[in-house]
Amino acid sequence: NAGVMQNPRHLVRRRGQEARLRCSPMKGHSHVYWYRQLPEEGLKFMVYLQKENIIDESGMPKERFSAEFPKEGPSILRIQQVVRGDSAAYFCASSFTHTGGYEQYFGPGTRLTVT
Amino acid sequence: QKEVEQDPGPLSVPEGAIVSLNCTYSNSAFQYFMWYRQYSRKGPELLMYTYSSGNKEDGRFTAQVDKSSKYISLFIRDSQPSDSATYLCAPASGAQKLVFGQGTRLTINP
Repeated sequence: NAGVMQNPRHLVRRRGQEARLRCSPMKGHSHVYWYRQLPEEGLKFMVYLQKENIIDESGMPKERFSAEFPKEGPSILRIQQVVRGDSAAYFCASSFTHTGGYEQYFGPGTRLTVT
Repeated sequence: QKEVEQDPGPLSVPEGAIVSLNCTYSNSAFQYFMWYRQYSRKGPELLMYTYSSGNKEDGRFTAQVDKSSKYISLFIRDSQPSDSATYLCAPASGAQKLVFGQGTRLTINP
């Protein structure tokens, strides 16, 4: 039973480019969460999605960041016009909450480096 | 005041010791409490998940939640060098975002 999958694992972008991070949740999970971990800082919530719906985006920066979880395919976190401060590890988590069970399982992360 | 406070350590103990890791929180709406272990440059791994107050044991790990004092603990018995990692507490209110503590960096010395 595959866990949460994220790709790419490492991504290098120049300032001003776009970064696309992908997340495939665990089988049977319909809830996806994105978190960011800046160097030497804790994990911070960014956005919570269900299929075709954004449930909570209170942690998303107001500009340049967007997320989606389409009916088919992985969830995508998109960062436009990246800046050096976007360099961080981005983690995706998924959960299955149909009958309870709010545990979130994390993927290995995508490490974004902006040069 | 942060929603979740966790002593960042670092904490260093000899192999075989009992380790106590703690967090305090301020949000009374938190009902679910998770502990994660994160090895360097890896994703967080779910260790323990408890609902409301009480104890939960899984092998060498015991999680405790005291909602009256808003205090959560993780105990590790017979600690092993492989337990060396950063431990993160993460409460939540239902199917909502996890609010992470800063994480405690633990080293178990052989």
